[in-house]
Parts: sequence; structure tokens; C-alpha cells
Amino acid sequence: DVQLQESGPGLVKPSQSLSLTCTVTGYSITSDYAWNWIRQFPGNKLEWMGYISYSGSTSYNPSLKSRISITRDTSKNQFFLQLNSVTTEDTATYYCAREGYGFAYWGQGTLVTVSA
Amino acid sequence: DIQMTQTTSSLSASLGDRVTISCSASQGISNYLNWYQQKPDGTVKLLIYYTSSLHSGVPSRFSGSGSGTDYSLTISNLEPEDIATYYCQQYSKLPWTFGGGTKLEIK
Repeated sequence: DVQLQESGPGLVKPSQSLSLTCTVTGYSITSDYAWNWIRQFPGNKLEWMGYISYSGSTSYNPSLKSRISITRDTSKNQFFLQLNSVTTEDTATYYCAREGYGFAYWGQGTLVTVSA
Repeated sequence: DIQMTQTTSSLSASLGDRVTISCSASQGISNYLNWYQQKPDGTVKLLIYYTSSLHSGVPSRFSGSGSGTDYSLTISNLEPEDIATYYCQQYSKLPWTFGGGTKLEIK
């Protein structure tokens, strides 16, 4: 069964970088599909942040394009989110998800708070 | 960006009811519309993809319909485990965008 699990710091200071890892089990991230990051703000608005495809190509939400990077480690079957120059507005629960006929598999989410 | 609007932010219904949740897009999205269920613990599940296709393992009491800019999710015979917030999402044009959610509660 496909499972995704987010991990990373729960607290980040303003102006620093947010870095999260998504570990995938039960499916190789190089076989197919797009591997996404999605966040949910307090108040429950969902925002698609971007993806890295099975081939390694990326696509980002233009609202984040200058600050975001999604990379991967195929040997560990993991993909990563880096968001630079964070502010308190980046406080959210961050989810990783596999896309193919919808976001069919989601991690459980990890709360990241941006605060001094 | 395509704006997705769920005009009903919360909805109260009784067990056994038929419930319809609506979603509209700011432009036509050619049926590229998915529905998700989020439980109070944050768990998110795909229910419907491409407007009306039922995701594997989803009960048949869930169904989707729509075209153009207007779409809906219907739950027939509401059960206690259906208490959740429901989101629509378009994948017609990047960036993918979500509706604001409809919270379903038991009356």
C-alpha cells in the first residue's frame, strides 16, 4: 500500500528556510505520477505549492516561484520541500501527496509554525 | 488563477439524508474537478476524480456531477462517518486550486 509521511522542524524563525521531507513507501517515486506539496493555512484554505514528477521535472505555484524548491533523493525514495525567506504567513500544515487521477494519496500532514 | 467557490461553508443534515455540496469555477474547467474529504483529525481522502469517477474504496453513496463551471458532490443516505469537511479542486489549469470547503455536521 502506498504511504507518504512528512517530517521536519515544527518551528522556523522568520527569514529562515523551511525544509520538509516526504518519505514514500510502497511505490517508487521514479515509476510514475507527480509528487506534490500542498499546505493548509489556519482557517483551512488549501494551497497547492508544486510538484516533482517521476522524471524529475518540477512545477511550482507562481505565487511561490521565487522562494520554493522541490527536489528528491531517489535512493531513499524521498522528496523534499524548501521554502526560503519565510514569514508568519507561511504558518500552515504541510502535506505531501501523490497526484494521478486526483491527489489519491496524502500524508498525515505536519504543522510548521513560523515564529521568532 | 482559476477561483473555486463553495458558497456553503457549513451544512447541517440528519442521518439518512441526501446531501448535495456545490462548487463553482471562475471559468470553464472541462470536468477536471476532484472532490476530497477531510476528517477532523486532518486526514484527507480523494472521493471523486474527473467530476464523477469514484476513487477506489469509496462507498457508492458518494457521487459527483457537473459540467462547465458548476459541479456538485452528492452523499446519499448520510452516515455518521461522513462528518467532515469537503473540498473541490480543479486541475484544468495550473496552478491547481481548491475551494474553501464545506463543513458537514449532523443535525
